[in-house]
Amino acid sequence: EIVMTQSPATLSVSPGERTTLSCRASQSVSNNLAWYQQKPGQAPRLLIYGASSRATGIPVRISGSGSGTEFTLTISSLQSEDFAVYYCQQYNNWPWTFGQGTKVEIK
Amino acid sequence: EVQLLQSGGGLVQPGGSLRLSCAASGFTFGSYGMGWVRQAPGKGLEWVSTITGTVGRTYYADSVKGRFTISRDNSKNTLYLQMNSLRAEDTAVYYCAKEMWVPPFDSWGQGTLVTVSS
Repeated sequence: EIVMTQSPATLSVSPGERTTLSCRASQSVSNNLAWYQQKPGQAPRLLIYGASSRATGIPVRISGSGSGTEFTLTISSLQSEDFAVYYCQQYNNWPWTFGQGTKVEIK
Repeated sequence: EVQLLQSGGGLVQPGGSLRLSCAASGFTFGSYGMGWVRQAPGKGLEWVSTITGTVGRTYYADSVKGRFTISRDNSKNTLYLQMNSLRAEDTAVYYCAKEMWVPPFDSWGQGTLVTVSS
């Protein structure tokens, strides 16, 4: 099983700041990597697929990069609606696996 | 608009069974892979199972293999998860989800809580 490790566990950020979340895979997942956003009491929302392609309706301030084992999600200027938990997920090998999540909170 | 409406959660005793349903609309159901993801209280996301669109090939997490069965009825646009031999550690909110034309999941149901307790 591929282990996905996200860092940090929590990020304290001020609105308007740029922030970067990291996700590392225990072995290569090529570019088969997705990022999701989840707010309390809601279902996850797909942000990024294929490591760097934005899902429908996702604003350009959210971007993904990386391949192989190292990936990042960048939010260029944090808005109030961006404070949430973010998960990476690999879908290169069965079983699909998620990272443990990074919580982005208001500083 | 894609809609995934879940039903079937609730309280069940350890060792019991439960079937979750996910009624889909707004897309050609039979053409897309579907799956289930769960989230234990206060925890992260865990992929549970996937069924492909046309062939209906199934995949399971090791934690549920042999106990859970994913299936679909393309004539009813409905996805199912039959859960047997339930354990306390299966307690979670279960989400059904639709794949894009390929993975990953791009649309999610509202979630349904399954509680396994005596």
